[in-house]
Amino acid sequence: DAGVIQSPRHEVTEMGQEVTLRCKPISGHNSLFWYRQTMMRGLELLIYFNNNVPIDDSGMPEDRFSAKMPNASFSTLKIQPSEPRDSAVYFCASNRQGGSPLHFGNGTRLTVT
Amino acid sequence: SQQGEEDPQALSIQEGENATMNCSYKTSINNLQWYRQNSGRGLVHLILIRSNEREKHSGRLRVTLDTSKKSSSLLITASRAADTASYFCATDEAGANSKLTFGKGITLSVRP
Repeated sequence: DAGVIQSPRHEVTEMGQEVTLRCKPISGHNSLFWYRQTMMRGLELLIYFNNNVPIDDSGMPEDRFSAKMPNASFSTLKIQPSEPRDSAVYFCASNRQGGSPLHFGNGTRLTVT
Repeated sequence: SQQGEEDPQALSIQEGENATMNCSYKTSINNLQWYRQNSGRGLVHLILIRSNEREKHSGRLRVTLDTSKKSSSLLITASRAADTASYFCATDEAGANSKLTFGKGITLSVRP
């Protein structure tokens, strides 16, 4: 079990640039979640998928954010254009079924200057 | 919005002492979970307690759940310096499509 794999580990970009974060969930897990963590707001759920279908994207801050899950083993979170207030740690997590324990990746630390 | 709110926000204890952390929530739940996060890492699941359970143990961890008060507590007995981390409660809200909502966490420091 390789765990949830996120890339890149760190991303530094300039305001206005496009940022793409990647996630590979644990094989056999049916749900995938994207969270954002900041000191001020804590851990916020952005969007989650069940069987590759987006179920709830109410946490996505605005249209600059988009997420896709083209297959069961890959998801992306894209920010275009990026802004300094997007700076945070972005976590991907997966679980086997609704309500079961989440397995988190080690996150992507995004810095937008 | 935050569903779970942990209390206290920060806790500092001596190695060997017990650490008690509390979590309150607002809506009906299917289960409540506790997670741990070490600096620079992702969250790690510790224990899950279902809404029809009142107490659960796992090693040095003891979790209680009081659904009438909408609160839970996590007790770590005989703490160790390696227990130093942030601890989060997360609720699986009933009727909320099984999404987990996290509190802001408690920072636990265990002094050797």
